[in-house]
Amino acid sequence: TQLLEQSPQFLSIQEGENLTVYCNSSSVFSSLQWYRQEPGEGPVLLVTVVTGGEVKKLKRLTFQFGDARKDSSLHITAAQPGDTGLYLCAGDTGGGNKLTFGTGTQLKVEL
Amino acid sequence: NAGVTQTPKFHILKIGQSMTLQCTQDMNHNYMYWYRQDPGMGLKLIYYSVGAGITDKGEVPNGYNVSRSTTEDFPLRLELAAPSQTSVYFCASSKGGNTQYFGPGTRLTVL
Repeated sequence: TQLLEQSPQFLSIQEGENLTVYCNSSSVFSSLQWYRQEPGEGPVLLVTVVTGGEVKKLKRLTFQFGDARKDSSLHITAAQPGDTGLYLCAGDTGGGNKLTFGTGTQLKVEL
Repeated sequence: NAGVTQTPKFHILKIGQSMTLQCTQDMNHNYMYWYRQDPGMGLKLIYYSVGAGITDKGEVPNGYNVSRSTTEDFPLRLELAAPSQTSVYFCASSKGGNTQYFGPGTRLTVL
Protein backbone atom coordinates (compact mmCIF):
# COMPACT_ATOMS: atom_id res chain seq x y z
CA THR A 1 0.00 0.00 0.00
CA GLN A 2 1.43 3.35 -1.03
CA LEU A 3 1.36 6.01 1.65
CA LEU A 4 0.96 9.70 0.98
CA GLU A 5 1.76 11.80 4.02
CA GLN A 6 0.61 15.40 4.11
CA SER A 7 1.94 18.12 6.35
CA PRO A 8 0.89 20.00 8.24
CA GLN A 9 -2.22 18.15 9.33
CA PHE A 10 -3.88 21.36 10.54
CA LEU A 11 -3.20 24.98 9.65
CA SER A 12 -4.94 28.06 11.01
CA ILE A 13 -3.82 31.37 9.56
CA GLN A 14 -4.94 34.96 9.11
CA GLU A 15 -6.26 36.36 5.87
CA GLY A 16 -3.43 37.61 3.67
CA GLU A 17 -0.80 35.15 4.89
CA ASN A 18 1.00 32.71 2.62
CA LEU A 19 1.17 28.97 3.25
CA THR A 20 2.59 25.77 1.83
CA VAL A 21 1.18 22.27 2.14
CA TYR A 22 3.38 19.25 1.47
CA CYS A 23 2.56 15.80 0.14
CA ASN A 24 5.29 13.15 0.43
CA SER A 25 5.67 9.50 -0.44
CA SER A 26 8.32 6.88 -0.94
CA SER A 27 6.49 5.71 -4.07
CA VAL A 28 6.73 7.11 -7.57
CA PHE A 29 3.49 8.34 -9.09
CA SER A 30 2.68 8.74 -12.76
CA SER A 31 0.59 11.74 -11.83
CA LEU A 32 -0.56 13.55 -8.75
CA GLN A 33 -3.73 15.45 -8.10
CA TRP A 34 -4.85 18.01 -5.55
CA TYR A 35 -8.44 18.18 -4.36
CA ARG A 36 -10.24 20.62 -2.07
CA GLN A 37 -13.12 19.46 0.07
CA GLU A 38 -15.55 21.78 1.82
CA PRO A 39 -17.62 20.66 4.83
CA GLY A 40 -20.50 18.40 3.89
CA GLU A 41 -19.36 17.95 0.31
CA GLY A 42 -17.24 15.61 -1.77
CA PRO A 43 -13.71 16.50 -2.92
CA VAL A 44 -13.36 18.64 -6.04
CA LEU A 45 -10.33 18.42 -8.31
CA LEU A 46 -8.06 21.49 -8.36
CA VAL A 47 -5.19 20.34 -10.56
CA THR A 48 -3.33 17.36 -11.99
CA VAL A 49 0.46 17.38 -12.37
CA VAL A 50 2.11 14.79 -14.56
CA THR A 51 5.73 15.69 -15.33
CA GLY A 52 8.52 15.67 -12.75
CA GLY A 53 9.37 19.26 -11.83
CA GLU A 54 6.12 20.57 -13.29
CA VAL A 55 4.68 23.77 -11.83
CA LYS A 56 1.07 24.77 -12.36
CA LYS A 57 -0.66 27.92 -11.23
CA LEU A 58 -4.34 28.38 -10.52
CA LYS A 59 -4.87 32.04 -9.55
CA ARG A 60 -3.27 32.32 -6.08
CA LEU A 61 -2.50 28.60 -5.87
CA THR A 62 0.82 27.17 -7.12
CA PHE A 63 1.30 23.43 -7.41
CA GLN A 64 4.63 21.69 -7.90
CA PHE A 65 5.44 18.05 -8.66
CA GLY A 66 8.79 16.86 -7.38
CA ASP A 67 11.53 15.97 -9.85
CA ALA A 68 11.40 12.30 -8.79
CA ARG A 69 7.58 12.29 -8.91
CA LYS A 70 7.39 11.20 -5.25
CA ASP A 71 6.27 14.46 -3.69
CA SER A 72 4.29 17.60 -4.35
CA SER A 73 3.54 20.94 -2.76
CA LEU A 74 0.70 23.41 -2.81
CA HIS A 75 1.47 27.06 -2.10
CA ILE A 76 -1.29 29.60 -1.48
CA THR A 77 -0.47 33.29 -1.71
CA ALA A 78 -2.49 35.85 0.26
CA ALA A 79 -4.93 33.32 1.67
CA GLN A 80 -8.60 34.25 1.87
CA PRO A 81 -11.43 32.83 4.04
CA GLY A 82 -12.79 31.16 0.90
CA ASP A 83 -9.66 28.98 0.81
CA THR A 84 -10.80 27.27 4.01
CA GLY A 85 -11.23 23.53 3.55
CA LEU A 86 -9.59 20.14 3.56
CA TYR A 87 -6.83 19.80 0.96
CA LEU A 88 -6.10 16.32 -0.29
CA CYS A 89 -3.34 15.09 -2.55
CA ALA A 90 -3.90 11.89 -4.50
CA GLY A 91 -1.39 9.84 -6.44
CA ASP A 92 -1.90 7.60 -9.42
CA THR A 93 0.56 4.73 -9.68
CA GLY A 94 -0.34 4.13 -13.31
CA GLY A 95 -3.31 3.61 -15.56
CA GLY A 96 -5.46 6.27 -14.00
CA ASN A 97 -7.81 3.70 -12.56
CA LYS A 98 -7.03 4.00 -8.86
CA LEU A 99 -5.88 6.86 -6.68
CA THR A 100 -4.15 6.75 -3.32
CA PHE A 101 -5.25 9.70 -1.22
CA GLY A 102 -3.10 11.58 1.23
CA THR A 103 -3.87 12.07 4.89
CA GLY A 104 -5.25 15.58 4.31
CA THR A 105 -4.48 19.11 5.48
CA GLN A 106 -7.26 21.02 7.20
CA LEU A 107 -6.85 24.73 6.44
CA LYS A 108 -8.72 27.51 8.22
CA VAL A 109 -8.28 31.10 7.09
CA GLU A 110 -9.65 33.69 9.50
CA LEU A 111 -10.46 37.35 8.97
CA ASN B 1 -26.34 16.37 -15.78
CA ALA B 2 -26.80 15.57 -12.11
CA GLY B 3 -23.31 14.05 -11.93
CA VAL B 4 -22.90 11.57 -9.10
CA THR B 5 -25.82 11.20 -6.71
CA GLN B 6 -25.87 9.29 -3.44
CA THR B 7 -28.70 8.25 -1.16
CA PRO B 8 -29.36 8.49 1.67
CA LYS B 9 -27.52 11.62 2.87
CA PHE B 10 -27.67 10.54 6.50
CA HIS B 11 -28.48 7.25 8.21
CA ILE B 12 -28.29 5.72 11.66
CA LEU B 13 -27.90 1.95 11.75
CA LYS B 14 -27.99 -0.43 14.68
CA ILE B 15 -25.15 -2.88 15.26
CA GLY B 16 -25.75 -6.05 13.29
CA GLN B 17 -28.17 -4.49 10.80
CA SER B 18 -27.53 -4.37 7.07
CA MET B 19 -28.11 -1.64 4.54
CA THR B 20 -27.32 -0.57 1.01
CA LEU B 21 -25.87 2.79 0.07
CA GLN B 22 -26.96 3.86 -3.38
CA CYS B 23 -24.78 5.58 -5.99
CA THR B 24 -25.80 6.64 -9.49
CA GLN B 25 -23.92 8.58 -12.15
CA ASP B 26 -25.30 9.98 -15.40
CA MET B 27 -22.00 10.74 -17.13
CA ASN B 28 -21.63 7.31 -18.77
CA HIS B 29 -18.38 6.75 -16.88
CA ASN B 30 -16.95 3.25 -16.89
CA TYR B 31 -15.05 3.56 -13.62
CA MET B 32 -16.77 3.87 -10.27
CA TYR B 33 -15.40 3.88 -6.74
CA TRP B 34 -16.47 3.71 -3.12
CA TYR B 35 -14.41 5.44 -0.44
CA ARG B 36 -14.81 5.97 3.26
CA GLN B 37 -13.56 9.05 5.06
CA ASP B 38 -13.10 9.31 8.80
CA PRO B 39 -13.22 12.80 10.40
CA GLY B 40 -10.54 15.17 9.09
CA MET B 41 -8.77 12.38 7.22
CA GLY B 42 -8.14 11.31 3.67
CA LEU B 43 -10.16 8.78 1.71
CA LYS B 44 -9.67 5.04 1.78
CA LEU B 45 -10.77 2.96 -1.19
CA ILE B 46 -13.28 0.24 -0.34
CA TYR B 47 -14.19 -1.20 -3.74
CA TYR B 48 -14.01 -0.11 -7.34
CA SER B 49 -15.39 -1.14 -10.70
CA VAL B 50 -13.95 -0.74 -14.19
CA GLY B 51 -17.24 -1.48 -15.92
CA ALA B 52 -20.57 -3.23 -15.61
CA GLY B 53 -20.10 -6.73 -14.19
CA ILE B 54 -16.53 -6.10 -13.00
CA THR B 55 -15.62 -5.19 -9.43
CA ASP B 56 -12.46 -5.41 -7.36
CA LYS B 57 -11.36 -4.85 -3.78
CA GLY B 58 -9.65 -1.70 -2.63
CA GLU B 59 -7.70 -1.02 0.52
CA VAL B 60 -10.44 -1.66 3.12
CA PRO B 61 -13.06 -4.08 1.70
CA ASN B 62 -13.86 -6.12 4.81
CA GLY B 63 -17.48 -5.84 5.91
CA TYR B 64 -18.66 -4.50 2.54
CA ASN B 65 -19.92 -5.87 -0.76
CA VAL B 66 -20.64 -4.28 -4.12
CA SER B 67 -22.28 -5.11 -7.41
CA ARG B 68 -22.29 -3.38 -10.80
CA SER B 69 -25.13 -4.59 -12.97
CA THR B 70 -25.38 -1.37 -14.98
CA THR B 71 -22.99 1.41 -16.01
CA GLU B 72 -24.98 3.94 -13.98
CA ASP B 73 -25.35 2.24 -10.61
CA PHE B 74 -22.81 1.03 -8.07
CA PRO B 75 -24.48 0.16 -4.74
CA LEU B 76 -22.45 -0.57 -1.60
CA ARG B 77 -23.82 -3.15 0.82
CA LEU B 78 -22.95 -3.23 4.50
CA GLU B 79 -23.57 -6.58 6.14
CA LEU B 80 -23.72 -6.93 9.95
CA ALA B 81 -22.89 -3.29 10.64
CA ALA B 82 -20.27 -2.53 13.28
CA PRO B 83 -19.39 0.75 15.07
CA SER B 84 -16.09 0.79 13.15
CA GLN B 85 -18.13 1.37 9.99
CA THR B 86 -19.30 4.76 11.25
CA SER B 87 -17.92 7.08 8.61
CA VAL B 88 -18.76 9.25 5.63
CA TYR B 89 -19.01 7.25 2.42
CA PHE B 90 -18.24 8.81 -0.94
CA CYS B 91 -18.96 7.40 -4.34
CA ALA B 92 -16.97 8.64 -7.33
CA SER B 93 -16.85 8.02 -11.05
CA SER B 94 -14.32 8.52 -13.81
CA LYS B 95 -14.18 8.07 -17.55
CA GLY B 96 -10.77 6.44 -17.21
CA GLY B 97 -8.42 9.35 -17.00
CA ASN B 98 -7.23 10.89 -13.79
CA THR B 99 -10.21 13.00 -12.79
CA GLN B 100 -12.68 11.48 -10.38
CA TYR B 101 -16.04 13.13 -9.77
CA PHE B 102 -17.44 12.70 -6.30
CA GLY B 103 -20.95 12.53 -4.94
CA PRO B 104 -22.02 14.52 -1.86
CA GLY B 105 -21.51 11.61 0.52
CA THR B 106 -23.57 9.51 2.91
CA ARG B 107 -23.00 10.09 6.62
CA LEU B 108 -23.48 6.77 8.40
CA THR B 109 -23.56 6.21 12.13
CA VAL B 110 -23.62 2.70 13.59
CA LEU B 111 -24.84 2.54 17.20
